[in-house]
Amino acid sequence: QPVLTQSSSASASLGSSVKLTCTLSSGHSSYTIAWHQQQPGKAPRYLMELEGSGNYNRGSGVPDHFSGSSSGADRYLTIFNIQSEDEAVYYCETWDSNTWVFGGGTKLTVL
Amino acid sequence: EVQLVQSGGGLVKPGGSLRLSCEASGFTFTDTWMNWVRQAPRKGLEWVGRIKSKIDGGTTDYAVPVKGRFTISRDDSKNTLYLQMNSLRTDDTAVYYCHIPTVTSAGAYWGQGALVTVSS
Repeated sequence: QPVLTQSSSASASLGSSVKLTCTLSSGHSSYTIAWHQQQPGKAPRYLMELEGSGNYNRGSGVPDHFSGSSSGADRYLTIFNIQSEDEAVYYCETWDSNTWVFGGGTKLTVL
Repeated sequence: EVQLVQSGGGLVKPGGSLRLSCEASGFTFTDTWMNWVRQAPRKGLEWVGRIKSKIDGGTTDYAVPVKGRFTISRDDSKNTLYLQMNSLRTDDTAVYYCHIPTVTSAGAYWGQGALVTVSS
């Protein structure tokens, strides 16, 4: 089954941009993933589905300062013009025929 | 608007049982695969299991830590998903979320979560 690897933490200043990475394990580099945001004390919120081609579809109501891109086994979430409410843990998710897996999450701190 | 409203969490002793429910609305529940995902205190997200739509066989798959103890079912007449948890252990303590994956849905969605505490 696939494994997803994420850095444990990242930081960015208000109004700047940040690119978070999710890396698929060997043999799974073509997989589609989903990105989710979890703000403190809240349920996760779906952000987008991201294909290996780099095509992505944002969820309903997700603002366009979230975008996705891909390169090989890496899947990226870029957040532009960071706001204080973007401080959260960001998880990537993928699936195989009979299983789902999540990355360990990246905690984004807004400075 | 898609809504997933969960109920049934609580405190249970080790070895006990509990059933969680997730009532769905705003989409065609019958056609949708559903997941349960949990999050232990101060930890990340962990997939628990999945049930396919009946038209796709209605089959279930489970993560290794819960296989043989947890059962996922669905009542399409009530638009409700269930998680029956038996032989609960202290390491099952977590917030449990019902989750619509993107496999059969245009977008993923999450319930509000239900806290399950397993403690003597």
